[in-house]
Amino acid sequence: GAVVSQHPSRVICKSGTSVKIECRSLDFQATTMFWYRQFPKQSLMLMATSNEGSKATYEQGVEKDKFLINHASLTLSTLTVTSAHPEDSSFYICSGQGADEQYFGPGTRLTVT
Amino acid sequence: EDQVTQSPEALRLQEGESSSLNCSYTVSGLRGLFWYRQDPGKGPEFLFTLYSAGEEKEKERLKATLTKKESFLHITAPKPEDSATYLCAVQAPGTYKYIFGTGTRLKVLA
Repeated sequence: GAVVSQHPSRVICKSGTSVKIECRSLDFQATTMFWYRQFPKQSLMLMATSNEGSKATYEQGVEKDKFLINHASLTLSTLTVTSAHPEDSSFYICSGQGADEQYFGPGTRLTVT
Repeated sequence: EDQVTQSPEALRLQEGESSSLNCSYTVSGLRGLFWYRQDPGKGPEFLFTLYSAGEEKEKERLKATLTKKESFLHITAPKPEDSATYLCAVQAPGTYKYIFGTGTRLKVLA
């Protein structure tokens, strides 16, 4: 299957700072990428859909000014959590749309202190 | 409203004890139904895509089937390494977005 990487895998930041998470499709081009958030023992919650070269589409209830998404190329999308607060602590997962299915990255554990 | 429901929420099996996981869906047209496996602290790993009722796919001890209302993931003679959360998702026509179920946490005991 296709491979998606995320960096960093874990990050701890202080409240009020911003943190950037990178998502790369390593062996395929992903015109569309998705960003999810997952709470413990819960399923994935879609945050936004990003298309290369255009603005991301955010799901209802997701603050676009807080979660900045940039899809600069067919292999790279970034999620920046701005002015992070402890309630932003979560597991963030990206995926790239392949020919038929989505391929997921390994996830990034964000802890805001 | 498009919806996906998985059952059971959690399942404990003895090694070798076969069982099935259920994914029921209501969607305005089905573009595809997808099964993933997720290990703790990791991203989902793709297993199967099913497109139409009657379709079946197999991979090692796993077999996925699809009807017009639900999909089953059959696990034959499971091993402890099959322990994971199994996620089901559907896509509606005209979108690549997934609608995920809540998952089934499977624990296989040696």
